[in-house]
Amino acid sequence: AQSVTQPDIHITVSEGASLELRCNYSYGATPYLFWYVQSPGQGLQLLLKYFSGDTLVQGIKGFEAEFKRSQSSFNLRKPSVHWSDAAEYFCAVGAGGGATNKLIFGTGTLLAVQP
Amino acid sequence: DTGVSQDPRHKITKRGQNVTFRCDPISEHNRLYWYRQTLGQGPEFLTYFQNEAQLEKSRLLSDRFSAERPKGSFSTLEIQRTEQGDSAMYLCASSFPAGRTEAFFGQGTRLTVV
Repeated sequence: AQSVTQPDIHITVSEGASLELRCNYSYGATPYLFWYVQSPGQGLQLLLKYFSGDTLVQGIKGFEAEFKRSQSSFNLRKPSVHWSDAAEYFCAVGAGGGATNKLIFGTGTLLAVQP
Repeated sequence: DTGVSQDPRHKITKRGQNVTFRCDPISEHNRLYWYRQTLGQGPEFLTYFQNEAQLEKSRLLSDRFSAERPKGSFSTLEIQRTEQGDSAMYLCASSFPAGRTEAFFGQGTRLTVV
């Protein structure tokens, strides 16, 4: 069955430090992969997506992610974190054959940023 | 604003009452999705429409839940005889037809059943 695992429930980093959020997926075919961010009480905003091609994808707000098929991973990175990045981050895989936006989400990683 | 709009943003209801939520998708999108998100969890897929046709329903969507999308525009999600376990954030998303396209989410409706 398709699944997404985000091993880190909660991460705290200092402002200006680098960030890596981990995501592992289980999917039989070539996955469509997404990272979304959610601020408290808000909906989800897409940070970036991977469909095919270059395995390093750039997103908004200075985020990037790298697709590694051999490791079934799609980790999110940012070289220098800003206080406004504090939020919850969700990795998702598009499932359901042609319905690529039937998404399966991980449980999320809550990011706190220390001054 | 041309984003996905959900109404209401918050709803408090007594157990056993019926509630209805509305979602207005991005106008060019013909796919519409409903998800449910409980505290500390990621969103879980409930159902989706292509135009007015409901193409898939999750086993999470019990017979107390019904979703419609008349005329392929806005959608409603109704929960009958609400239970405390229905307390969650209900998220709506829309997209272009399947392919290399992403879903855009609304702000969600927070339901609290007391």
